[in-house]
Amino acid sequence: DADVTQTPRNRITKTGKRIMLECSQTKGHDRMYWYRQDPGLGLRLIYYSFDVKDINKGEISDGYSVSRQAQAKFSLSLESAIPNQTALYFCATSAGGTGDQETQYFGPGTRLLVL
Amino acid sequence: KQEVTQIPAALSVPEGENLVLNCSFTDSAIYNLQWFRQDPGKGLTSLLLIQSSQREQTSGRLNASLDKSSGRSTLYIAASQPGDSATYLCSAGGTSYGKLTFGQGTILTVHP
Repeated sequence: DADVTQTPRNRITKTGKRIMLECSQTKGHDRMYWYRQDPGLGLRLIYYSFDVKDINKGEISDGYSVSRQAQAKFSLSLESAIPNQTALYFCATSAGGTGDQETQYFGPGTRLLVL
Repeated sequence: KQEVTQIPAALSVPEGENLVLNCSFTDSAIYNLQWFRQDPGKGLTSLLLIQSSQREQTSGRLNASLDKSSGRSTLYIAASQPGDSATYLCSAGGTSYGKLTFGQGTILTVHP
């Protein structure tokens, strides 16, 4: 089984709808991240969390919110989806610390289309 | 603001060739430098992580170097194989909390 899973893998929604993307991990890592990937723009950080009580905004958090329900679960919500939020969304985890503990492990991604 | 650039954007080589992918970053005050590969329909897989105090890291046929003073990293792939075909992403880690700034990637095709 994959260490980092994301659901759903694909989602089509309409403008104005609220949707939630979910991420679960079995790596036992404290740190979790949400990124979006757009053609020509690369991956950009939306939110990150160091533990259940520590959640921080990334560089493009407007229009998004997150919830860290447990060490293993980190959800991303779009409160009112808009077309320019169409993108590939990735969740990632890391142990944190130094050296190789900083390596980030990515989920398979969620492809979101907002009509 | 950190900016990461990867050259070339795409590369096509015959099987067996040795090749170099380039990554440059504007702010030399990085915490680490990570190389990932991305396969279509899949997430990113970490290949190598170089800490700011290191000059290079090796894993099998892969070797990554880091020159902070010049703001450059290279990924060397020896004896390329068709299975190496993927998009390779370079990312600069700015601080200890793991914020990564990614380049646009190099699309590598290794043909038999």
